[in-house]
Amino acid sequence: AQTVTQSQPEMSVQEAETVTLSCTYDTSESNYYLFWYKQPPSRQMILVIRQEAYKQQNATENRFSVNFQKAAKSFSLKISDSQLGDTAMYFCAFTDSGGGADGLTFGKGTHLIIQP
Amino acid sequence: SQTIHQWPATLVQPVGSPLSLECTVEGTSNPNLYWYRQAAGRGLQLLFYSVGIGQISSEVPQNLSASRPQDRQFILSSKKLLLSDSGFYLCAWTKAGGPADTQYFGPGTRLTVL
Repeated sequence: AQTVTQSQPEMSVQEAETVTLSCTYDTSESNYYLFWYKQPPSRQMILVIRQEAYKQQNATENRFSVNFQKAAKSFSLKISDSQLGDTAMYFCAFTDSGGGADGLTFGKGTHLIIQP
Repeated sequence: SQTIHQWPATLVQPVGSPLSLECTVEGTSNPNLYWYRQAAGRGLQLLFYSVGIGQISSEVPQNLSASRPQDRQFILSSKKLLLSDSGFYLCAWTKAGGPADTQYFGPGTRLTVL
């Protein structure tokens, strides 16, 4: 069974700083997909970024980028120029490529606080 | 564009009472649908998923059940709620077929069992 581990329960940084959230996973699959979701106080789950394991290039979305290390099974999220609106729970999630029907396996989340 | 709705938004129920949570998706056809539960301070746990009408797969044995009576409707039910059923319930959808695609989540239902 796949597992996803987020080792940082909570992080706090100053506005405009760069912050990196860690995620490791365990799988025997060779092809799979990794995601970072953001959950603000409203509790709506919002996709931040997506990475396909067969792509070596790290995904980027504006201020958000990932460092995907397949051999190390590591998938960290970097937030540049952090903003107050980035305050939220961040979840790392995994799914294999099995026809797209399988659900996501989530880590327990990191509570990120951006201080003014 | 696609949208996903859940209701009710908030629900307080006594132990032993029945439950029915509804999820509907607009703007797409034949989606894969999912129910997740998020307990306080924890990540999301997959409860059920469905790849078509009447097709339900359960990930966790419990006193909850799911049904998909229509293509874009997914219902989570219980005959008798337990205290441990309290939590935040999220419905999600993704496009059917092909490689694994991004799951999009509804606004959720906060369930408190007293």
